[in-house]
Amino acid sequence: LAKTTQPISMDSYEGQEVNITCSHNNIATNDYITWYQQFPSQGPRFIIQGYKTKVTNEVASLFIPADRKSSTLSLPRVSLSDTAVYYCLVAEQEGKLIFGQGTELSVKP
Amino acid sequence: NAGVTQTPKFQVLKTGQSMTLQCAQDMNHNSMYWYRQDPGMGLRLIYYSASEGTTDKGEVPNGYNVSRLNKREFSLRLESAAPSQTSVYFCASSDRLAGGPGTDTQYFGPGTRLTVL
Repeated sequence: LAKTTQPISMDSYEGQEVNITCSHNNIATNDYITWYQQFPSQGPRFIIQGYKTKVTNEVASLFIPADRKSSTLSLPRVSLSDTAVYYCLVAEQEGKLIFGQGTELSVKP
Repeated sequence: NAGVTQTPKFQVLKTGQSMTLQCAQDMNHNSMYWYRQDPGMGLRLIYYSASEGTTDKGEVPNGYNVSRLNKREFSLRLESAAPSQTSVYFCASSDRLAGGPGTDTQYFGPGTRLTVL
């Protein structure tokens, strides 16, 4: 059964680089991979999006291998304010939009 | 520019009661979505509307109905609430770009916390 899966939780310390990987083995051929950040009692917020290889913006990088069956969100030098839940979102071959279960990142001082 | 707004913020229902969750966006987006979020399950799509006048089922549509009232507003109705529908409900909107549905950047509202007793 095709699923979009992520680690449930991760711990890190301030100043470290954090990499969160999402597995999406049924991703639609022509669709993008998007990552969202969610703080408690708020709706998710867009972080970054990509189709292939590497994308970088002011807050994160996204690495996508050639087969596109996974993607890795990279947060450089995290701070306490990066403590949040991170979700990947893909459209599957059948056209369904599927969020991963979310990765709860805890950044410690 | 308020973005995506949802009402109410909190609601408690008894089993069998009905209610409508309201969502509005002021970004002139074509697409709107309703999700539910449960602990350990992430966000699951209930219904979406790719454009005014159209609606389609998502991953978990049973027990819900939707209405795309106009381009701004997309409501979610529970006709006979059940305890299994206790959840946080999020509305989102996006502008359809070239490519598939996963290409769109979605903007989310603050959520409605619903408890069904």
